[in-house]
Amino acid sequence: AQRVTQPEKLLSVFKGAPVELKCNYSYSGSPELFWYVQYSRQRLQLLLRHISRESIKGFTADLNKGETSFHLKKPFAQEEDSAMYYCALSGMDTGRRALTFGSGTRLQVQP
Amino acid sequence: DTGVSQNPRHKITKRGQNVTFRCDPISEHNRLYWYRQTLGQGPEFLTYFQNEAQLEKSRLLSDRFSAERPKGSFSTLEIQRTEQGDSAMYLCASSLEYAGYSGANVLTFGAGSRLTVL
Repeated sequence: AQRVTQPEKLLSVFKGAPVELKCNYSYSGSPELFWYVQYSRQRLQLLLRHISRESIKGFTADLNKGETSFHLKKPFAQEEDSAMYYCALSGMDTGRRALTFGSGTRLQVQP
Repeated sequence: DTGVSQNPRHKITKRGQNVTFRCDPISEHNRLYWYRQTLGQGPEFLTYFQNEAQLEKSRLLSDRFSAERPKGSFSTLEIQRTEQGDSAMYLCASSLEYAGYSGANVLTFGAGSRLTVL
């Protein structure tokens, strides 16, 4: 079975502070991991995925297979980063191909 | 192309009635997904299609739920004999899948159809 756990429902930081949104997964095969984001009054959209290994809007995420984690990080938070963030997993081999989402973490960046 | 379109945006119905939602994906996309989202939760997978074939259906999906994508373009999700527990946001998403391309899970979401069952 595939499972994604986001332990924090809310993360509140001040502008300029570092951010780390936690994501842990459970999957026995080879996973593909994603972060999706939903800004206020906007649609859910892709932020980044692990195979791209790129930084989007200053955010990065590294897949750690030993710790089964895919935490999202940004060194200096901006007010426009305030949004709902969802970690998602797809099983690349025998598991479910469609994405399994975590319950989400609301990031609140205060001025 | 205006992205993924879902109709209606809001539906209020009485318990026991049937409801149908429609999703028009991005025209070039061959995959179409349905998810359900309740307050405080992430999107929960319901089913997905590749072209007109329904390739996967969640085991959590009741027999009251049925989805179709008859011509491989738009899709409908029907809920029969609605229950109060069906109240949720129903999200549709689409993506492109072909051999050698790793973007099948790069989903473009619609705005959702909110269902309220009284």
